[in-house]
Amino acid sequence: DAMVIQNPRYQVTQFGKPVTLSCSQTLNHNVMYWYQQKSSQAPKLLFHYYDKDFNNEADTPDNFQSRRPNTSFCFLDIRSPGLGDAAMYLCATSAKLAALYNEQFFGPGTRLTVL
Amino acid sequence: DQQVKQNSPSLSVQEGRISILNCDYTNSMFDYFLWYKKYPAEGPTFLISISSIKDKNEDGRFTVFLNKSAKHLSLHIVPSQPGDSAVYFCAASASSGGSNYKLTFGKGTLLTVNP
Repeated sequence: DAMVIQNPRYQVTQFGKPVTLSCSQTLNHNVMYWYQQKSSQAPKLLFHYYDKDFNNEADTPDNFQSRRPNTSFCFLDIRSPGLGDAAMYLCATSAKLAALYNEQFFGPGTRLTVL
Repeated sequence: DQQVKQNSPSLSVQEGRISILNCDYTNSMFDYFLWYKKYPAEGPTFLISISSIKDKNEDGRFTVFLNKSAKHLSLHIVPSQPGDSAVYFCAASASSGGSNYKLTFGKGTLLTVNP
């Protein structure tokens, strides 16, 4: 089945220690998104890639970076995780950029714990 | 400032009865609305959507109603089944402007359908 895969499912890191979360997709979609969802909160878009074009949301902290080496893979790098960065990180894909009639497909998420 | 609000964190209904999940929004630029369903340990999956040119969209047991003047939408599930037990997220998008890719989510409502 075509799908969005996130590894690892659970990640524990230490305060200030860089961490990378991984997302891959077999849907061959042009757009890949990263969302942050804190406990009991709404998923919040951090950034997205449309092909190789990167778009950062205005309120995404500089501590968060992303890489997309090819169509299938996208990485979320947190350079110096703080306790406030503990959250579920969701990766999603879509075929086109516009949301209208263009479904986003989500991975299962990576739950990040910062000690 | 939450632009999409789901004021009921949880809802419990009996199997066979109607489930009604509500969502309010504040941004008048939103013109496309979606519902996503999320089971534990899985990513959100698209359920149903509605464009602002309509006031109702139906798909099997699921119907979404949109009241633009009240900036309110609701998801009706009839009849409810135990397998419908999940977290339901309301999301909205604005098709015009530079953020037509962006989905703004509510915090979600946990629906429990009791046998």
